[in-house]
Amino acid sequence: GENVEQHPSTLSVQEGDSAVIKCTYSDSASNYFPWYKQELGKRPQLIIDIRSNVGEKKDQRIAVTLNKTAKHFSLHITETQPEDSAVYFCAASMKGGSQGNLIFGKGTKLSVKP
Amino acid sequence: KAGVTQTPRYLIKTRGQQVTLSCSPISGHRSVSWYQQTPGQGLQFLFEYFSETQRNKGNFPGRFSGRQFSNSRSEMNVSTLELGDSALYLCASSLRKSYNEQFFGPGTRLTVL
Repeated sequence: GENVEQHPSTLSVQEGDSAVIKCTYSDSASNYFPWYKQELGKRPQLIIDIRSNVGEKKDQRIAVTLNKTAKHFSLHITETQPEDSAVYFCAASMKGGSQGNLIFGKGTKLSVKP
Repeated sequence: KAGVTQTPRYLIKTRGQQVTLSCSPISGHRSVSWYQQTPGQGLQFLFEYFSETQRNKGNFPGRFSGRQFSNSRSEMNVSTLELGDSALYLCASSLRKSYNEQFFGPGTRLTVL
């Protein structure tokens, strides 16, 4: 089955710096890659996603890139702010995620120091 | 529109007992997925229900089961609880269309003593 690896497990940056989180997946049939942010004590929330037919997607300070050949995708956060501090999870799924079975990486705890 | 709700929010059980957790999806969402979240293993997919039928299943023992009702509400049951079952159990609902967001509930924190 699908396996998703995520690095680093912890990341500490200064406010205003950029943060990059990387994930690799094993199943070439995966075609949907969402990223979730989970603040302490709260539910995971989708922040951005990308489909396999797209190489890059941006939403304000957040961007995701996908390399299908290498089977890896990355989350980029620019101009980080203290409120970006949270645990970020990448995930992969087949059939556009329509079957509800997201396979998650183990998460990256991002700390943004003011 | 009301979000995904889960009850109870907290639960304490002892080894060997069984537990039932409930999830009410967003109105109009007919797919409900369940995930187990632990510090060591992260978020792991348990199973998905759609139209009252289990459609997908993760790699968990048969002690973990679920069902879905005609109003799309779902329940998850864990029998013969083990200490390792202590976790946050999250459900997520979606429209079950491609590239559609899964919306998570707040979770049920289960502690097994």
